[in-house]
Amino acid sequence: QVQLVQSGSELKKPGASVKVSCKASGYTFTNYAMNWVRQAPGQGLDWMGWINTNTGNPTYAQGFTGRFVFSLDTSVSTAYLQISSLKADDTAVYYCARRGYSYGAPDYWGQGTLVTVSS
Amino acid sequence: SYELTQPPSVSVSPGQTARITCSGDALTKKYAYWYQQKSGQAPVRVIYEDNKRPSGTPERFSGSRSGTMATLIISGAQVDDEGDYYCYSVASTGDRRGMFGGGTKLTVL
Repeated sequence: QVQLVQSGSELKKPGASVKVSCKASGYTFTNYAMNWVRQAPGQGLDWMGWINTNTGNPTYAQGFTGRFVFSLDTSVSTAYLQISSLKADDTAVYYCARRGYSYGAPDYWGQGTLVTVSS
Repeated sequence: SYELTQPPSVSVSPGQTARITCSGDALTKKYAYWYQQKSGQAPVRVIYEDNKRPSGTPERFSGSRSGTMATLIISGAQVDDEGDYYCYSVASTGDRRGMFGGGTKLTVL
């Protein structure tokens, strides 16, 4: 069965960087792209963008350019989200979600990774 | 701000029909998708392409879309259906940029 397993919670200081991993299993990793979604505490879902798992080409939503980087290691079927120069308002749960064949809408989701930015 | 608009909350009694709406210009051309998120859990897809149920979604969940509005319908809502529901669609600009609605908290009591 399809599974997306994300790395554990992170506590970081402002200005630091964090890298969240998302390991896929149960399907051929390069057959489906990957979405990333943010959920700030008590807030709704924000679509951050996606990465083409064949070409490695990322697409970032408005508001997620510059400090946010999507990357891959296809040898281990893993997608990554790196955030640099962390700020307090980056505190959120970050989800990877497989990009389904229907207009790329998420079909399967990881369990989420809580990133807390605090001094 | 969100380009898809949902009511913040909907409340029904068990066994009643719950309707959650989602409105936005993108829906005139693009499908609606619906996700259920229970407290402390990851979202789960319950409807795709307006009205299709993935395997595992109970038959009491259905969906429709007309004009600028999509609707998630839960017929005979159960206490277990409580949670936040998000609609999703893609921009009509051709770049397949995704967008979520602001979410609706469903209470069944």
